[in-house]
Amino acid sequence: SQTIHQWPATLVQPVGSPLSLECTVEGTSNPNLYWYRQAAGRGLQLLFYSVGIGQISSEVPQNLSASRPQDRQFILSSKKLLLSDSGFYLCAWRIGGGSGELFFGEGSRLTVL
Amino acid sequence: AQSVSQHNHHVILSEAASLELGCNYSYGGTVNLFWYVQYPGQHLQLLLKYFSGDPLVKGIKGFEAEFIKSKFSFNLRKPSVQWSDTAEYFCAVNQPPDKLIFGTGTRLQVFP
Repeated sequence: SQTIHQWPATLVQPVGSPLSLECTVEGTSNPNLYWYRQAAGRGLQLLFYSVGIGQISSEVPQNLSASRPQDRQFILSSKKLLLSDSGFYLCAWRIGGGSGELFFGEGSRLTVL
Repeated sequence: AQSVSQHNHHVILSEAASLELGCNYSYGGTVNLFWYVQYPGQHLQLLLKYFSGDPLVKGIKGFEAEFIKSKFSFNLRKPSVQWSDTAEYFCAVNQPPDKLIFGTGTRLQVFP
């Protein structure tokens, strides 16, 4: 069966420090991968998505970047965190696009102080 | 750019009341539409989806949604809610081929 792992689960970082959130999917090949940020009253904001290794679509120009170094690995990064980067980050996967069901990881809670 | 609007941010109902949550989207082409639910402390999970055919879609736990193309809407309904339906509900739209965007969510509270 397919599983998705996301870590770390919680992270407290000072302003200006770097960030790396990692997401790995097991039990499937060539998934579409997504990074969302969830905030109360704002729903799920699509940050990045990827349909293959090295292919990244960016939805929100901001302080974050994403990479997909391997088929089932998706990394969210920042060189210098801002206070506004605080939030709950969700990784998700699905097979193909269109009507494919999205499966979510457990999320990473980032607090920038 | 495509957008998804959920007009009801917070809905409070008593058990057995009927539910309708609104969802409107802006994309004019072929769409795939979804409703996801997040129960307290749990992951988001799929409630139902529309991709083609019958515009009235049945999902899990007695939920259904109707796709009305002329109104760009995909409203979620349930004839009689239960306390266990307390959750946050998200409408989502796939912009072909792979971009899946969500609405702001509706928080539903059901009181016994």
